[in-house]
Amino acid sequence: DSGVTQTPKHLITATGQRVTLRCSPRSGDLSVYWYQQSLDQGLQFLIQYYNGEERAKGNILERFSAQQFPDLHSELNLSSLELGDSALYFCASSGGGQGLTDTQYFGPGTRLTVL
Amino acid sequence: ILNVEQSPQSLHVQEGDSTNFTCSFPSSNFYALHWYRWETAKSPEALFVMTLNGDEKKKGRISATLNTKEGYSYLYIKGSQPEDSATYLCAYHTGGFKTIFGAGTRLFVKA
Repeated sequence: DSGVTQTPKHLITATGQRVTLRCSPRSGDLSVYWYQQSLDQGLQFLIQYYNGEERAKGNILERFSAQQFPDLHSELNLSSLELGDSALYFCASSGGGQGLTDTQYFGPGTRLTVL
Repeated sequence: ILNVEQSPQSLHVQEGDSTNFTCSFPSSNFYALHWYRWETAKSPEALFVMTLNGDEKKKGRISATLNTKEGYSYLYIKGSQPEDSATYLCAYHTGGFKTIFGAGTRLFVKA
């Protein structure tokens, strides 16, 4: 158990809908990262937040947005869902002090299925 | 286009064999390289964070080296055990905070 929690574990929804994925980092960690793992693309970095501020952006679509709240939990919002958004979404956290040289601890993931 | 390549794609070894695989990345704008171990139906688990050219890290029977000038890192497993069976993933981080993952090397260790 990494100490990072993600909810829900599974989510099934329809095209065009909007969903919110939630991540609680390890106690004391300031950075949260979101990743997408789809069958055809492998693991892709989406976005990083550090202490409430966006720090780095990867291959995140405009239909997706994220935020990190004052209590450091983070949410990833996915809207106008398409079939191709079906994937496993991981959240990871790190202490944040050293940026990308910090060890990242991954949560168990949220499996999103868009029908 | 930034590309991170891992080889081989998969590897089948016998228990007790030592093995190694490669992560190749662009040598320019290097910031850090992470190695992860990813077991089926679980989430990636951090093995090493490597930042300096010539870095060598070790954790039990697993070790890694880094050459940022030529753009590669090696991961070694000494005396492979069935529980080492997993996908080994590297992630390359650039100075512009871009993160690119390799496709992974899938290791199968037969008892």
